[in-house]
Amino acid sequence: AQTVTQSQPEMSVQEAETVTLSCTYDTSESDYYLFWYKQPPSRQMILVIRQEAYKQQNATENRFSVNFQKAAKSFSLKISDSQLGDAAMYFCAFPGPVNQFYFGTGTSLTVIP
Amino acid sequence: SQTIHQWPATLVQPVGSPLSLECTVEGTSNPNLYWYRQAAGRGLQLLFYSVGIGQISSEVPQNLSASRPQDRQFILSSKKLLLSDSGFYLCAWSVHPSAGYTFGSGTRLTVV
Repeated sequence: AQTVTQSQPEMSVQEAETVTLSCTYDTSESDYYLFWYKQPPSRQMILVIRQEAYKQQNATENRFSVNFQKAAKSFSLKISDSQLGDAAMYFCAFPGPVNQFYFGTGTSLTVIP
Repeated sequence: SQTIHQWPATLVQPVGSPLSLECTVEGTSNPNLYWYRQAAGRGLQLLFYSVGIGQISSEVPQNLSASRPQDRQFILSSKKLLLSDSGFYLCAWSVHPSAGYTFGSGTRLTVV
């Protein structure tokens, strides 16, 4: 069975600094996708970044990047130059065999001005 | 363009009353559709998913049911709400694992 674990319930970062959110997962699949979603106070779920497991190159979207370690089944999110608008819950997600997503328990990120 | 509509945005219902939440998708055909529930300050729990009309899979046995009467319509229902049904309900759709999910704006349900 697929599982997704986020071990950091809360994180904080100073504005303009860098923060890394951790995620580990378990799967027997060899080809899959991984995602990070952001949920701001409005509670709208927003896709932040995705990684294809067969690609060794880490995905990057502007200030957001991932550190994907396939052998270790680790998928961390790095936010550079943190902004106040980055404050949100962040969820790591992994699709199951029928594309049903399994989400981690989330990390609440606070950005300190 | 592809959009997803979910309503109502907020709902307050008494214990024992029925429930119907609706989700519709535009701009795509034969999507996979999903219902999630999120308790306050918690993660997302998959409730139901559907890969086609009339096809419903339940992840968690509970007081809720789902139906898909049309290709792009997904309904979450209950005959008698419980206090524990309170939460934030999210509908989502996907057509391919690489694309991830597109979520609706959610329904905040409070059972009193």
